[in-house]
Amino acid sequence: QKEVEQDPGPLSVPEGAIVSLNCTYSNSAFQYFMWYRQYSRKGPELLMYTYSSGNKEDGRFTAQVDKSSKYISLFIRDSQPSDSATYLCAMKRGSNYKLTFGKGTLLTVNP
Amino acid sequence: NAGVTQTPKFQVLKTGQSMTLQCAQDMNHNSMYWYRQDPGMGLRLIYYSASEGTTDKGEVPNGYNVSRLNKREFSLRLESAAPSQTSVYFCASNARDRQTYEQYFGPGTRLTVT
Repeated sequence: QKEVEQDPGPLSVPEGAIVSLNCTYSNSAFQYFMWYRQYSRKGPELLMYTYSSGNKEDGRFTAQVDKSSKYISLFIRDSQPSDSATYLCAMKRGSNYKLTFGKGTLLTVNP
Repeated sequence: NAGVTQTPKFQVLKTGQSMTLQCAQDMNHNSMYWYRQDPGMGLRLIYYSASEGTTDKGEVPNGYNVSRLNKREFSLRLESAAPSQTSVYFCASNARDRQTYEQYFGPGTRLTVT
């Protein structure tokens, strides 16, 4: 079993829809959880991060971590065509600076 | 402030040829990383350098070597390219002095080995 599992999609939604992206993980030592966004032919860029369990909101984006279930989510409200990208979850242990990435989910928001 | 830069952007090699991918960052970051990204495989860590003067293997180091030339530059060398090394290569860096340990990525190098 891989440490981080992420459904690669692709996921296609109409503009304005609520999008839910998810990752599961197996290593309970992970403490920091991140979502990176990668536009086509670009490098990934950090979208959101959370530490331990809980929710974090930033505009239309909400990151949610459930450590008891080893499950993290990213919700996008009122999705826009400009949100079309690949979304990668990433995690790290507390004292370790290396990130473990999911495979990424390709999202297309149709106008 | 250019962030993380990578050269070249594209490269085509024949099997057995060698080449060096260059990476530089101007953010005074301590740590630098090389990843490869393949369809369906996500980002996989090849090598990393926690600080100037140190390098360590990541998840998929076979067929690669690295050099941390100074604090700014971290190069990746393919000594004898193989078709299995066809991929998009990303360099990244981070400061290690922020709780997020956010990694900043370069634009990538698209490598094809024929």
